[in-house]
Amino acid sequence: KNEVEQSPQNLTAQEGEFITINCSYSVGISALHWLQQHPGGGIVSLFMLSSGKKKHGRLIATINIQEKHSSLHITASHPRDSAVYICAAHRYGGSQGNLIFGKGTKLSVKP
Amino acid sequence: EADIYQTPRYLVIGTGKKITLECSQTMGHDKMYWYQQDPGMELHLIHYSYGVNSTEKGDLSSESTVSRIRTEHFPLTLESARPSHTSQYLCASSEFGEAYGYTFGSGTRLTVV
Repeated sequence: KNEVEQSPQNLTAQEGEFITINCSYSVGISALHWLQQHPGGGIVSLFMLSSGKKKHGRLIATINIQEKHSSLHITASHPRDSAVYICAAHRYGGSQGNLIFGKGTKLSVKP
Repeated sequence: EADIYQTPRYLVIGTGKKITLECSQTMGHDKMYWYQQDPGMELHLIHYSYGVNSTEKGDLSSESTVSRIRTEHFPLTLESARPSHTSQYLCASSEFGEAYGYTFGSGTRLTVV
């Protein structure tokens, strides 16, 4: 079992829908990252959070430390949101810079 | 503009060739990383560096080597490329400490034929 699990693996939505991607982890962490990877391969960091909730535009990320669970929400989804969304846990006390990555959720938003 | 740059973006090369993947960042970050990602799979850390003259191997065994002679530059070298090295290689950087975010490059998609 992976230390970072994401669900769903694939998600297809209609434009305008509210989207939720989930991430569960089994290790102690100091921070959790949400990343976006477009088909070209480059990765953009969306959020880094260690507690509570963060919002940036139509994106919202939440984390529940006790339940070891984080969610990424996209409101009013748009075709340009189509990408792979990756959850990455920064393991607490692990070797410097060691992020543990989930396999990603491939999101496709149809117009 | 502060950023991290990887070159080349795509590389197709024959077996046995020596290759160097370039990674440079303009943010003055101490920590730099190389990740390997196969299609549809998660990223795996292959090398990282705390700063100049510091290099460490990551969780995934790799035949590649790295160097860190300057803060901004973290090249990855394969002495003799093989088809098993075909993958995407992503470079990233961050400030020192666990509370900082990461900046990723656009990646190099390597194909060894």
